[in-house]
Amino acid sequence: GNSVTQMEGPVTLSEEVVLTINCTYTATGYPSLFWYVQYPGEGLQLLLKATKADDKGSNKGFEATYRKETTSFHLEKGSVQVSDSAVYFCALSTGARQLTFGSGTQLTVLP
Amino acid sequence: GAGVSQTPSNKVTEKGKYVELRCDPISGHTALYWYRQSLGQGPEFLIYFQGTGAADDSGLPNDRFFAVRPEGSVSTLKIQRTERGDSAVYLCASSFLGQGSGELFFGEGSRLTVL
Repeated sequence: GNSVTQMEGPVTLSEEVVLTINCTYTATGYPSLFWYVQYPGEGLQLLLKATKADDKGSNKGFEATYRKETTSFHLEKGSVQVSDSAVYFCALSTGARQLTFGSGTQLTVLP
Repeated sequence: GAGVSQTPSNKVTEKGKYVELRCDPISGHTALYWYRQSLGQGPEFLIYFQGTGAADDSGLPNDRFFAVRPEGSVSTLKIQRTERGDSAVYLCASSFLGQGSGELFFGEGSRLTVL
């Protein structure tokens, strides 16, 4: 079956440092990969996605590259801000009309 | 409204009681999904509607859980004979094209606590 494993949190960083949140997956077929973010008091929202190998998704300064050889989709940002504090979820879809989520990584950015 | 609306935002009930959770999707979205999120976990798929019919209910944990979407818009998740293990945040999401695009719009969830 499909599964997503992501870096456990919580993660606490200072503003302007580099962020990496690891995500690896197991899937049958050729999945599409996603990062969702949940800001405090808000619903989950799509941050970025990639639908095939070597694609790079990007949004709001965040990037993730679909690596088929390592079955990974790590989330990166070069300089985090306090406003990036949120819970980040890696997810995949194999077109079976289901999203499979990782367990989430709580990120706190301190000024 | 502008986003997916879920009511109630919080529900506390006693073991054995019946509960209904409501989801009002974004206007015009044909696909609607229910997920369940336990503490410290990611959302787990429960059921997916395309229009009025349940296209995939493989995530419903047992026959105490049931969901309807009679007019292809608002959906109700129904839980009979609640158990303490049902305590979780129940998330609703909607999309226009179906999950293949990955762009689901989530509500803020209904937090259910079963005492």
